[in-house]
Amino acid sequence: SQKIEQNSEALNIQEGKTATLTCNYTNYSPAYLQWYRQDPGRGPVFLLLIRENEKEKRKERLKVTFDTTLKQSLFHITASQPADSATYLCALPASNDYKLSFGAGTTVTVRA
Amino acid sequence: GAGVSQSPSNKVTEKGKDVELRCDPISGHTALYWYRQSLGQGLEFLIYFQGNSAPDKSGLPSDRFSAERTGGSVSTLTIQRTQQEDSAVYLCASSKQGISTDTQYFGPGTRLTVL
Repeated sequence: SQKIEQNSEALNIQEGKTATLTCNYTNYSPAYLQWYRQDPGRGPVFLLLIRENEKEKRKERLKVTFDTTLKQSLFHITASQPADSATYLCALPASNDYKLSFGAGTTVTVRA
Repeated sequence: GAGVSQSPSNKVTEKGKDVELRCDPISGHTALYWYRQSLGQGLEFLIYFQGNSAPDKSGLPSDRFSAERTGGSVSTLTIQRTQQEDSAVYLCASSKQGISTDTQYFGPGTRLTVL
């Protein structure tokens, strides 16, 4: 099964700075990877999907990269705002075609 | 409704009691997933339903856990003889086709506390 590691430490940053989160995986390289956002007391919400042939994907102030050689995805929040404070989860397909394996998440706090 | 709904939002029960958790997926979504999330942990897959196919129960932690999906829509997760280690947030998600590139739409979860 896939082992997924995200930043174990919570990230505290100043408003306006860029937050960079890492997602490392250890086994087979997936064809794609997803990122979700989870607010306290809520279920995760889908943000982005990046495929193995895409080096980078952007959505508004979010940027995701996918390096299959390093077995790593980086998730960047640029020009961060207090409203970006949440836990961010990466998810990779499991061994079959319908399951996702989720990382434990990285909690980001943006200070005004 | 526009999204996935779950009930109850919170459930406190005594050790040894049975509990039922309900999930209403997005209308038209063929796939439904149940996950468990313990404090500081990632989402732990429990069970997957897809249309009329046999469910994938490979994530259920013990035979005290069971789930049904009636009419391809509403699902109920049942935990019998609850234990303190069952305390967690139980999340339900649905997706259109049930393939892993699909976006999974999550409900708000049920927070289960076993005393």
